[in-house]
Amino acid sequence: QLQLQESGPGLVKPSETLSLTCTVSGGSISSSSYYWGWIRQPPGKGPEWIGSFYYSGYTYYNPSLKSRVTISVDTSKNQFSLKLSSVTAADTAVYYCARHGDFGMVIRHDNWFDPWGPGTLVTVSS
Amino acid sequence: EIVLTQSPATLSLSPGERATLSCRASQSVGSSLAWYQQKPGQAPRLLIYDASNKAPDIPARFSGSGSGTDFTLTIFSLEPEDFAVYYCHQRSNWPPYTFGQGTKLEIK
Repeated sequence: QLQLQESGPGLVKPSETLSLTCTVSGGSISSSSYYWGWIRQPPGKGPEWIGSFYYSGYTYYNPSLKSRVTISVDTSKNQFSLKLSSVTAADTAVYYCARHGDFGMVIRHDNWFDPWGPGTLVTVSS
Repeated sequence: EIVLTQSPATLSLSPGERATLSCRASQSVGSSLAWYQQKPGQAPRLLIYDASNKAPDIPARFSGSGSGTDFTLTIFSLEPEDFAVYYCHQRSNWPPYTFGQGTKLEIK
């Protein structure tokens, strides 16, 4: 069964860089047709997609965060990472990693964000 | 960016009643809409995808409908474990993928 697990510091100072890692087990990050993404959820608000990547190196980001976000992958460790620079209190949120697919016109449940990791709370504060 | 507006913000019902949750998109998303359930301290769980298809292991009392800009999640005969927050999500026009702000389904 595919499982994802986020890890990283729970507290980051303003203006610094937030760094998180997602470790995937029960499946390979290099699987064709699957993308891997980061999503965050500020307290009491709806989720916000941050960005996604394909193992070949293709990445795409939320335009609202693009200037501050980098997603990278380590296929040897079956992990991928998120870096968000110049953080402020507005970046305080639970950060999730999740898988989603691209099977063209085929209707499949795994085209959507599923599964998700349990999430990790990151607080931006001095 | 496609904005998803959910209504109502809070819905108070009793077990056994029917729940009807709405999601309206700022422009057509075709059928590219999903519904998620989120309980406190947990990640969102996929319920419905492509507007009307149930995800694996989702009970039959959950049903999705709609297309274009107006979508509905119906929960027939609420069970105690159904009281949670529900989000709609679109992947028709990206980036970015977007989510609604949620409907909290609470026990009356």
